[in-house]
Amino acid sequence: GAGVSQSPRYKVAKRGQDVALRCDPISGHVSLFWYQQALGQGPEFLTYFQNEAQLDKSGLPSDRFFAERPEGSVSTLKIQRTQQEDSAVYLCASSQRRLADYEQYFGPGTRLTVT
Amino acid sequence: SQQGEEDPQALSIQEGENATMNCSYKTSINNLQWYRQNSGRGLVHLILIRSNEREKHSGRLRVTLDTSKKSSSLLITASRAADTASYFCATPPRAGANSKLTFGKGITLSVRP
Repeated sequence: GAGVSQSPRYKVAKRGQDVALRCDPISGHVSLFWYQQALGQGPEFLTYFQNEAQLDKSGLPSDRFFAERPEGSVSTLKIQRTQQEDSAVYLCASSQRRLADYEQYFGPGTRLTVT
Repeated sequence: SQQGEEDPQALSIQEGENATMNCSYKTSINNLQWYRQNSGRGLVHLILIRSNEREKHSGRLRVTLDTSKKSSSLLITASRAADTASYFCATPPRAGANSKLTFGKGITLSVRP
């Protein structure tokens, strides 16, 4: 079946631009997670949705980062006024169970480069 | 912050040999997960072991968990070139309900044909 998809796969933004990254989770999956992965590092948690409710946004690095999942399926991560330190791969994952204590299925990621 | 720390940071072995990778963590957990990441397939879940389990097998993978030492090991037997990837352990930050996983920095495994 279809896995988690993300778009765009690559995004180059000039510093100060706003970007929007999209995640299509596996159909029917309750939980959706966003992670940020810097080069040579493991993924770092950004935020968690259970259906349409954003239950944990403790990992968002600043108020320039905003995520939504209005209908409990597709999610968008928006970064306003991008900075060079925002350059990273942004990973989306979904899970059929609630919370993070179960297997997560990851998308291919969006590689964001801020110039 | 990253709770899990894997070691070694890099491992290079010959095809057919076994690979052992270790992970240590800091707080009490209710489960520990191992993931693999390569350029072809992205980040893929390998195995989950719960705090009341000591050992778990899946194909050529064997995972152990020692909660008294706060450590886990992943053994890949009879390695193949296709096992070349980065391996991460991931844990929830506490033993209760968790909305996040914390990943280590990863181990780079190279399997030489």
